[in-house]
Amino acid sequence: GQQVMQIPQYQHVQEGEDFTTYCNSSTTLSNIQWYKQRPGGHPVFLIQLVKSGEVKKQKRLTFQFGEAKKNSSLHITATQTTDVGTYFCAGSTDSNYQLIWGAGTKLIIKP
Amino acid sequence: DSGVTQTPKHLITATGQRVTLRCSPRSGDLSVYWYQQSLDQGLQFLIQYYNGEERAKGNILERFSAQQFPDLHSELNLSSLELGDSALYFCASSAQDWHSPLHFGNGTRLTVT
Repeated sequence: GQQVMQIPQYQHVQEGEDFTTYCNSSTTLSNIQWYKQRPGGHPVFLIQLVKSGEVKKQKRLTFQFGEAKKNSSLHITATQTTDVGTYFCAGSTDSNYQLIWGAGTKLIIKP
Repeated sequence: DSGVTQTPKHLITATGQRVTLRCSPRSGDLSVYWYQQSLDQGLQFLIQYYNGEERAKGNILERFSAQQFPDLHSELNLSSLELGDSALYFCASSAQDWHSPLHFGNGTRLTVT
């Protein structure tokens, strides 16, 4: 069945370092969404990408959708303590509208 | 505030019991989704309703059932509870039944003892 693989599972960074999480789909996606879940919180929608090769920025966050629409990445520049949490990607296809979720990448800031 | 309301926030019950979780979607949203999240795990999709009709089913156990009412609120019923059912249960809503971003409620934390 359709799968969305997300790596890494965890990433420990020093505050001020960059962070990247990657999602790879077994099939071509029609769109991909990114969510952030703070510790003890609920997932919050960050952004949706729909076009091949699309790049969107939100302040220090850069989201990319691959040319083949099978992969996506989220890059955070100069992490801050407020960035701590788990980042999830979720994609859907034109034939199956159900969102398929990645397992999430937990961003941990080293003390 | 996402605009999605879930009640109760916490629920503690014994094995074998039955509970009902309630969700009110954001105003105007027609789709409601239920997800289960065990401790430090990912989001497991359970079921989706769109405008009162079941739209998609995920890994939902036969002991679990849900429905969406005419006023669009939804209930998730969990019966014959087991210890392994202890988890956070999230409800989310979206404007349409496909491609729309999901807006999550704060979740109901279920503890089965």
